[in-house]
Amino acid sequence: SQTIHQWPATLVQPVGSPLSLECTVEGTSNPNLYWYRQAAGRGLQLLFYSVGIGQISSEVPQNLSASRPQDRQFILSSKKLLLSDSGFYLCAWSVYGLRSPLHFGNGTRLTVT
Amino acid sequence: AQSVTQPDIHITVSEGASLELRCNYSYGATPYLFWYVQSPGQGLQLLLKYFSGDTLVQGIKGFEAEFKRSQSSFNLRKPSVHWSDAAEYFCAVGDGSSNTGKLIFGQGTTLQVKP
Repeated sequence: SQTIHQWPATLVQPVGSPLSLECTVEGTSNPNLYWYRQAAGRGLQLLFYSVGIGQISSEVPQNLSASRPQDRQFILSSKKLLLSDSGFYLCAWSVYGLRSPLHFGNGTRLTVT
Repeated sequence: AQSVTQPDIHITVSEGASLELRCNYSYGATPYLFWYVQSPGQGLQLLLKYFSGDTLVQGIKGFEAEFKRSQSSFNLRKPSVHWSDAAEYFCAVGDGSSNTGKLIFGQGTTLQVKP
């Protein structure tokens, strides 16, 4: 069966520090991968998605970037965090090319101080 | 552009009572629709999905949803709510013509269950 791992679970970082959140998927090949951010009372906002290695699409302009160095690895990064980057970050995967549901990780709670 | 509206930010029901959570979508073609549930501090779990065919779909945990094209709605229902159903519920719509699999989510409805 497929599983998705996301870490760390919680993170407190000072303003201006770098960020790296990692997500890996097991049990499937060539998945679509996604990063969503959830701010309180604002639902889920799609940040990035990827349909293959090295293929990253950004949905909103922001201080963050994403990379997909391997088929089942998706990384969310920032060179310098802002206070507004605080939130709950969720990684998800779906089957490529089909109307597949998204399967979510357990999320990372990021607090920028 | 696709969009999803969940008109109710917060709903409180008594345990054992029936539940209906509303979802309206805006999409030009035939959408594919989902309901997810999220417990505090956790990821989202899929409750049910609609792609085509029978407009009444059954999901896990006793939930069902009905797709009504004329009303652009996909409301979630449960005949008898349990205390463990207290959580946040999200409706989502996807683009069936794209292989990106992107979903657009509503703002969510927080369900509180009174004993």
